[in-house]
This record gives sequence, structure tokens and C-alpha cells, in this order.
Amino acid sequence: EDKVVQSPLSLVVHEGDTVTLNCSYEVTNFRSLLWYKQEKKAPTFLFMLTSSGIEKKSGRLSSILDKKELFSILNITATQTGDSAVYLCAVNPGTASKLTFGTGTRLQVTL
Amino acid sequence: NAGVTQTPKFRVLKTGQSMTLLCAQDMNHEYMYWYRQDPGMGLRLIHYSVGEGTTAKGEVPDGYNVSRLKKQNFLLGLESAAPSQTSVYFCASRGGLTYGYTFGSGTRLTVV
Repeated sequence: EDKVVQSPLSLVVHEGDTVTLNCSYEVTNFRSLLWYKQEKKAPTFLFMLTSSGIEKKSGRLSSILDKKELFSILNITATQTGDSAVYLCAVNPGTASKLTFGTGTRLQVTL
Repeated sequence: NAGVTQTPKFRVLKTGQSMTLLCAQDMNHEYMYWYRQDPGMGLRLIHYSVGEGTTAKGEVPDGYNVSRLKKQNFLLGLESAAPSQTSVYFCASRGGLTYGYTFGSGTRLTVV
């Protein structure tokens, strides 16, 4: 059974802090790993990672994948209150693109 | 550009009632999915479709049926609703293997 585990489950930081969110996975086949941000409604796409060691970056957010150790991290630098959300990690095992999601990390950024 | 549209956004059902959730996408995507999201459980796949006229079971298919008669629409049916089906339901679509999912805004269903 495919499995995605995220840590920590929740996190409270002060505005300006840097945070690292973790995602480890066990899947029978691996095609890609995806990160999503979920505020009040639908998850919104952040990154898709397919190759080890190549950092994807978008503004203050960045992510990297380690296929040997089966994990990914999502970094957010200089956090802002607008970064408060649940961050979801998902793995695509390549079969009909059925994503397996972790339970998410709830990030709260306070002033 | 509407993307993925789900209707209705909210619904309250009595146990035993039936209903259909509609998902429509205007991006000509082949793949469509229905997920449910429960506290502490993450998103779990109910059913999915890899193209018009095809459907397949996901992780938690019991109590649900689906149909994909047209490429742009994916319907999720509950024949006899149960309180365990109280959840937020998300539809998603994907154009190809190199793209992330696009999600609808969700349907909050309560079964009493």
C-alpha cells in the first residue's frame, strides 16, 4: 500500500521565520511528488518534483526531492501571515496519475 | 476560464437519501478524480476516470458510484447516504502526466 507521511502535523511560527516541512513516502512505483497549499477551499498547486537534487523555487518557497532516501522538503523563508495554510504532499505512482496524499502540515504564521 | 466547477457547494441530506455531485471542467482534460477529505485523514481517492466512458475504483469506493458520459463531466452519486459519508468532496482533473491536478472548490456534504 502506498504511503505518504508528513511532519510536523502542525507548526506555529512568527512572521519572518523560516520553516521546513517534511514529506516521506513509500510507493511501489514513483513518477513524481507534488506539493499543494490549501487555505479555506481547494488545494492549489505549488511544485512537482521528478528528479533528485534539483531544487524547484517560486519566490520564498522552494522544494527538493531525494529519491534515494524517499523524502522531500518544502522550505518557506521570511514567512508571512498569508502563508498560513495546510501544506499537502502527494505522490504520483504513475498509474493513471492517482495521487496518494499525506495528511498535511498545518502552518500558522503569527505577527 | 472556469477551470473545475463543482455543484452544489453545500448540501445536507437525511440518511438514506440519494444525490449526485457534478464536476465540470473546461480544460479538455482526460483524467478526472473524486476525493473526499476528512479531518486527520487527508485526501482519499474515491473513484477516477482516465477518459470519456471509463471509470475505476479508488481507495474508498464503497457507497459511491460515478459516471463519465462526457469528457468534461464527472458525476459522483450516493445511492443511500450514510452519516459516514459526511465529508468535503473535491473533484480534480489533470491534462497529462507532467501537470499537477486542478481542483474544484469542494462540496461540503452533511448526512444527518
